[in-house]
Amino acid sequence: DTGVSQDPRHKITKRGQNVTFRCDPISEHNRLYWYRQTLGQGPEFLTYFQNEAQLEKSRLLSDRFSAERPKGSFSTLEIQRTEQGDSAMYLCASSRTVEAFFGQGTRLTVV
Amino acid sequence: DAKTTQPTSMDCAEGRAANLPCNHSTISGNEYVYWYRQIHSQGPQYIIHGLKNNETNEMASLIITEDRKSSTLILPHATLRDTAVYYCIVPLPDDYKLSFGAGTTVTVRA
Repeated sequence: DTGVSQDPRHKITKRGQNVTFRCDPISEHNRLYWYRQTLGQGPEFLTYFQNEAQLEKSRLLSDRFSAERPKGSFSTLEIQRTEQGDSAMYLCASSRTVEAFFGQGTRLTVV
Repeated sequence: DAKTTQPTSMDCAEGRAANLPCNHSTISGNEYVYWYRQIHSQGPQYIIHGLKNNETNEMASLIITEDRKSSTLILPHATLRDTAVYYCIVPLPDDYKLSFGAGTTVTVRA
């Protein structure tokens, strides 16, 4: 499968714990994005990488969130001290040109 | 991004064409119109994009009015698998991030 892969697909965590999600983009896609989607809403942009450089971060990305893309390959999104409001689907996408390819997402539930 | 307006929902009969409208009256001359869809429990899927000419691919056709203030996505022969939320997006030029609104929930009925 050469699509965008996200791991894990589901994560349940207790409030206050840290979680980390991984995204493997399509090979040779230099752009990588993270989005967050809550129930009934469209996805919201969180952050964007071009190769290994994080070029843009949304105001939605509080200081508890950090994303990395070492060597311009896979990316990780970490949430520290999770809160119930962090419960959402976290989507990763990659692109080389205008067409973005999305993964299946990681559904986070904070209890 | 140019603001887009779409109907909240629409139904379509299986096998018939589905015509999904989108208004983007503040669009600038060099801004493209993109359409994505999201089937339940999946990530969004790119459908098609265009600037001012009509476009067609294996999934759909995109008709953009001459003044570019509105567009219509056409699914020529809707199937049950086309049931999804359809998003019309107009990002800023050279800005590849996508601003999804609420989209149109399309339900294809047998």
